[in-house]
Amino acid sequence: GAGVSQSPSNKVTEKGKDVELRCDPISGHTALYWYRQSLGQGLEFLIYFQGNSAPDKSGLPSDRFSAERTGGSVSTLTIQRTQQEDSAVYLCASSPQNTEAFFGQGTRLTVV
Amino acid sequence: KNEVEQSPQNLTAQEGEFITINCSYSVGISALHWLQQHPGGGIVSLFMLSSGKKKHGRLIATINIQEKHSSLHITASHPRDSAVYICAVRPQGKLIFGTGTLLAVQP
Repeated sequence: GAGVSQSPSNKVTEKGKDVELRCDPISGHTALYWYRQSLGQGLEFLIYFQGNSAPDKSGLPSDRFSAERTGGSVSTLTIQRTQQEDSAVYLCASSPQNTEAFFGQGTRLTVV
Repeated sequence: KNEVEQSPQNLTAQEGEFITINCSYSVGISALHWLQQHPGGGIVSLFMLSSGKKKHGRLIATINIQEKHSSLHITASHPRDSAVYICAVRPQGKLIFGTGTLLAVQP
């Protein structure tokens, strides 16, 4: 595709359920980032991939959060045993090394 | 103290006014980004700077590496410029974001 694609665009889940969020970066982009934005808040860094490895996982808020990237392409962010405070827009961005970042439209997660 | 500080947090302007949004950072960086986010919309990259000045249409971005400061200017502002403007810096790898400046341009 022409841009960063995220799916689903919206997800409503019950508290305690697991969710998987997917990011398809722009082809050839080596760097991939996950961020989240809670209502009325700024962007919060979660994790950064360079290729398939994650040199910086410092933003993952708890061990319920994990992410992987396969084939240097698609990435999945998994949230286990979701809590209401996990409700946010989860944004993915990709970039070639050290250049402009391109953002997806985000996944709006609502935990009820 | 946040590593990236933006000012002002909120800005209301009249159509046609010249607007300046400031960004100061405290870490060494390889690049600085200015991003735009419309309400309910996605994030669009406006500029990536590592030195000097860039211009795109009515938007101008400058950076002073020694002073660790960048500015985003909008000339002849228009209501469609209303959005959140976000400064982000790249030390190594990840982007670190400022909290954003909410701009409202009134007709």
